Amino acid sequence: ETGVTQTPRHLVMGMTNKKSLKCEQHLGHNAMYWYKQSAKKPLELMFVYNFKEQTENNSVPSRFSPECPNSSHLFLHLHTLQPEDSALYLCASSQEWSSYEQYFGPGTRLTVT
Amino acid sequence: AQSVTQLDSQVPVFEEAPVELRCNYSSSVSVYLFWYVQYPNQGLQLLLKYLSGSTLVKGINGFEAEFNKSQTSFHLRKPSVHISDTAEYFCAVRDPRNTGNQFYFGTGTSLTVIP
Repeated sequence: ETGVTQTPRHLVMGMTNKKSLKCEQHLGHNAMYWYKQSAKKPLELMFVYNFKEQTENNSVPSRFSPECPNSSHLFLHLHTLQPEDSALYLCASSQEWSSYEQYFGPGTRLTVT
Repeated sequence: AQSVTQLDSQVPVFEEAPVELRCNYSSSVSVYLFWYVQYPNQGLQLLLKYLSGSTLVKGINGFEAEFNKSQTSFHLRKPSVHISDTAEYFCAVRDPRNTGNQFYFGTGTSLTVIP
């Protein structure tokens, strides 16, 4: 595998379910990111991790819980989501926290029913 | 905070015709500017970036963009499009004074190339 991979690619979950999204980067980068992409809205940065430490949390509701066990893996744990949380969730990585270029995964299409 | 405006949500264009995708940003101070492309069922891929220097920036796949500070614009152009250019295009801005890695994205422009 090369680049940034995300699993699953599609996820349908009920409002009472608990699920997790997984992201893995094979680029040797030190920073990883979660973005939310909703139709006709700008990408929203959710979380930033630099060397496994969370550096940013952009006022994301607590029903989204990130985890970064090492520099290559990033998880987004989901529980008691709302229908408006349905979106494409993109993971990205960059060499350093301050790097200009981010490399994106293909995303997980989440539908909350 | 910065804001990015992509004036056209959808742009249909015939194959081999030229195309311009417009992007305006809010800040009057120096910024870093980017264009990303998202092909169907894929993540975003960097097309080109402007950090400093020449205002005309060339990117991958024959795309180029021109930074215009007075108009706070960074329009993307290609002289002759191909079917494979059909994708969503995102303009993004980053404030170099910001020690974080905050990119501000536009809402995207969907380019459809018609055979």
